Amino acid sequence: ILNVEQSPQSLHVQEGDSTNFTCSFPSSNFYALHWYRWETAKSPEALFVMTLNGDEKKKGRISATLNTKEGYSYLYIKGSQPEDSATYLCAFSNSGNTPLVFGKGTRLSVIA
Amino acid sequence: DAGITQSPRHKVTETGTPVTLRCHQTENHRYMYWYRQDPGHGLRLIHYSYGVKDTDKGEVSDGYSVSRSKTEDFLLTLESATSSQTSVYFCAISGSGYNEQFFGPGTRLTVL
Repeated sequence: ILNVEQSPQSLHVQEGDSTNFTCSFPSSNFYALHWYRWETAKSPEALFVMTLNGDEKKKGRISATLNTKEGYSYLYIKGSQPEDSATYLCAFSNSGNTPLVFGKGTRLSVIA
Repeated sequence: DAGITQSPRHKVTETGTPVTLRCHQTENHRYMYWYRQDPGHGLRLIHYSYGVKDTDKGEVSDGYSVSRSKTEDFLLTLESATSSQTSVYFCAISGSGYNEQFFGPGTRLTVL
């Protein structure tokens, strides 16, 4: 059974703080790593798909890095805003035709 | 937004009754998935489909069955609903490539 771990489970930051959290996944048979943003009472929305070791992706104030050799990815949010409050999920796949394995998420609360 | 809908969006039912949830897509994607969302567990895969009449079990398949007679529809059936199946159910679809998943709006099911 593939295991995807996210830390921390939850995080409270002040508006304007920068923050980061971690996704750990198996370092063997890597195919892709996904990040999703999940707001309360909504459905998860895709942020990034990362496929190559050393990949860096950026969308506005949110960026992500990938290390497939050691099996981790970091998600960074620069200058957090209250609208960034959400659960951030990562998901790992080891092939193109098997379901994604999701972590339990990091719940971010940004306090104004 | 990916064309994916779920019906019903909300349902209250009694223990022991059968319940069917429907997921409908207009994207002609090959893969379809059913997840449940529970506090402390994130998203857990119930069943998935990799083509018409081709389905497989996920992590928490006991008490659930699925059917896919057309590309666009994926049905989730609770043969005899129990209170432990009270949850929010999400359908997701993915096509070719890196299995990026797009989620439906969710169905909130309450079993009394």
